[in-house]
Amino acid sequence: TQLLEQSPQFLSIQEGENLTVYCNSSSVFSSLQWYRQEPGEGPVLLVTVVTGGEVKKLKRLTFQFGDARKDSSLHITAAQPGDTGLYLCAGARRMNRDDKIIFGKGTRLHILP
Amino acid sequence: NAGVMQNPRHLVRRRGQEARLRCSPMKGHSHVYWYRQLPEEGLKFMVYLQKENIIDESGMPKERFSAEFPKEGPSILRIQQVVRGDSAAYFCASSSNSRAGNEKLFFGSGTQLSVL
Repeated sequence: TQLLEQSPQFLSIQEGENLTVYCNSSSVFSSLQWYRQEPGEGPVLLVTVVTGGEVKKLKRLTFQFGDARKDSSLHITAAQPGDTGLYLCAGARRMNRDDKIIFGKGTRLHILP
Repeated sequence: NAGVMQNPRHLVRRRGQEARLRCSPMKGHSHVYWYRQLPEEGLKFMVYLQKENIIDESGMPKERFSAEFPKEGPSILRIQQVVRGDSAAYFCASSSNSRAGNEKLFFGSGTQLSVL
C-alpha cells in the first residue's frame, strides 16, 4: 500500500512551459516535504510545509499544502532544463516523540531545451 | 562542514555473502534513517535509529537485515546472505532531532549494492 501517491509518474515538457505535479494521500501528515534527486545522488530538501493551506515560493517553484494536510502540489513556472530531476514528496507521521518520514515514488521530470 | 558520508559508494557481492553499509551522520546529528531505492522508484523506509537505540524498524525485513548506531562510530546496515533481490541503492539520512518532519533531513550519496 502506497501511502503517498505522486502524479504524474513521468513528465516531459518543453523549456518555458508551466507544470504542476501532485502528491496525494488519504492520511493526514504533520508536515510535508518536497525533495529533488539527481542521478547517483541522495535527495535534497526543497521545502517543508506545515500548516494546512500553506503556500511557499522558491524562485519559480510554488508549493502548496492542502487545507486538510493530506495532499500537496508543486508548480513550476517557465521550466528550465536545470529543473530536470526526480521530485519526491515525503510526509511526516508523528509517532510519540519521533517523526517517521514516508516518501512517495516520485515524479520524473524532463525539461527539453 | 562534512555532510552525511556513506561508504562504500558501490558494493558488489556474490549471493550468500554479507554486505555492510556504513553511514556517518552530519556532525551533531544523533538521528539516522535508512532507506532503500529501486530504479524508477521512490525511497522505501527501512529503519530509524538514535544513538544506541532502534526507534522504528518496521520497514526492515525480519531476516538477514540488521542495523545499529553505536555510541561511537557510524551507523551500520548489515545484510547477511545477500540475494539478487537485495540489489538496490541504500540511502542514509540524518537529522538533528526527532522532529525530522520540521527539520531538514540530510541525505548521503547512497551505496549502490549489486548482488551477482
